[in-house]
Amino acid sequence: ILNVEQSPQSLHVQEGDSTNFTCSFPSSNFYALHWYRWETAKSPEALFVMTLNGDEKKKGRISATLNTKEGYSYLYIKGSQPEDSATYLCGGGSRLTFGEGTQLTVNP
Amino acid sequence: KAGVTQTPRYLIKTRGQQVTLSCSPISGHRSVSWYQQTPGQGLQFLFEYFSETQRNKGNFPGRFSGRQFSNSRSEMNVSTLELGDSALYLCASSLSLGRIIPSYNEQFFGPGTRLTVL
Repeated sequence: ILNVEQSPQSLHVQEGDSTNFTCSFPSSNFYALHWYRWETAKSPEALFVMTLNGDEKKKGRISATLNTKEGYSYLYIKGSQPEDSATYLCGGGSRLTFGEGTQLTVNP
Repeated sequence: KAGVTQTPRYLIKTRGQQVTLSCSPISGHRSVSWYQQTPGQGLQFLFEYFSETQRNKGNFPGRFSGRQFSNSRSEMNVSTLELGDSALYLCASSLSLGRIIPSYNEQFFGPGTRLTVL
């Protein structure tokens, strides 16, 4: 079973702050790395699916990078807004194993 | 385009009973995956179905089973329920595009079924 670890477990920031989270995974047998945003009472929603070492993807104020050789991915949020409050999940491995997520709270 | 739907949304059962959960994927999606989330755990992969065949399986006991119908709708069954089966069960559909490794495919999740076992 792929061991995906995310840090920090939770994060509280002020509106306007920029923030980032880490996803670590074994670098061997890499397939793809997924990032999802999961808002309370909603379904997880895909942010990025990344497959290539050095990949950088961006969607609005959110971006992600991928390093498959060292087994990590970073998710960045620029200028956090209260609506960014959610749990951010990363997952990978052949059977798409997810970490426990980073719970982000953005205070207005 | 309608999203992934799951029924029922909430369910209460007692130990020893069995339960069936249903998932209707996005139209055109042929792959359906099931996940379990329990407190303190990430989403754990149960299994994936594609064209009515189980294509990938996670590390869950045989009490957990599923099937997929010709219209891609999927059901998950848990027999002899245990207290530890209390969880949120999510299904997700994907286009798959012939890629047999679930990890390559963006997953579209349903709202989940919250199962409580008393």
